[in-house]
Amino acid sequence: QQQVKQSPQSLIVQKGGISIINCAYENTAFDYFPWYQQFPGKGPALLIAIRPDVSEKKEGRFTISFNKSAKQFSLHIMDSQPGDSATYFCAARRSGAGSYQLTFGKGTKLSVIP
Amino acid sequence: GAGVSQSPSNKVTEKGKDVELRCDPISGHTALYWYRQSLGQGLEFLIYFQGNSAPDKSGLPSDRFSAERTGGSVSTLTIQRTQQEDSAVYLCASSSRTGAYTGELFFGEGSRLTVL
Repeated sequence: QQQVKQSPQSLIVQKGGISIINCAYENTAFDYFPWYQQFPGKGPALLIAIRPDVSEKKEGRFTISFNKSAKQFSLHIMDSQPGDSATYFCAARRSGAGSYQLTFGKGTKLSVIP
Repeated sequence: GAGVSQSPSNKVTEKGKDVELRCDPISGHTALYWYRQSLGQGLEFLIYFQGNSAPDKSGLPSDRFSAERTGGSVSTLTIQRTQQEDSAVYLCASSSRTGAYTGELFFGEGSRLTVL
């Protein structure tokens, strides 16, 4: 059973547009939600993360929005650039025992076209 | 080195053969993970090492998979009697003790395994 559902699977956005990637979860024990960015041939790298007591976190052009009641969170990339073309993974960490383990979504391949 | 180093970067093997994948974590990082990345399937947790504690092997898919970490540093993931469904990219990640609990993992570039 997939514990973190990510959509869309792929996304094409024009340069300068807004890229939006959505994730949903069921396990209320999740208490930390990082996003990872992976370029082709590279390992994933931490991009930005949010705790559920915060509704929004912004770092440069990247913003995470979090809706605790709906158990949903999303990544918004403002003014998308061709250099943002990568695969993005949302993840969730559960509290308590085993909290070192991240559960990842299946990823979204973003292509930003000039 | 500055980052997590994995070898080999690519491995092609025949069904039934054993393979070993190596990971050299960032110096000073006490936590080490192995994840498997299959096409369209995201990242699947395999195993976690933290210092000298017993590893969490709960993600290993079968008893053909094993991993060890020597001296709290380098780790080797071994797959015995490989099957075609083992074909994937095997990612190693390391983190500090704190980073393991804040989700700040540093990944290597992975070892792509192809089983013919």
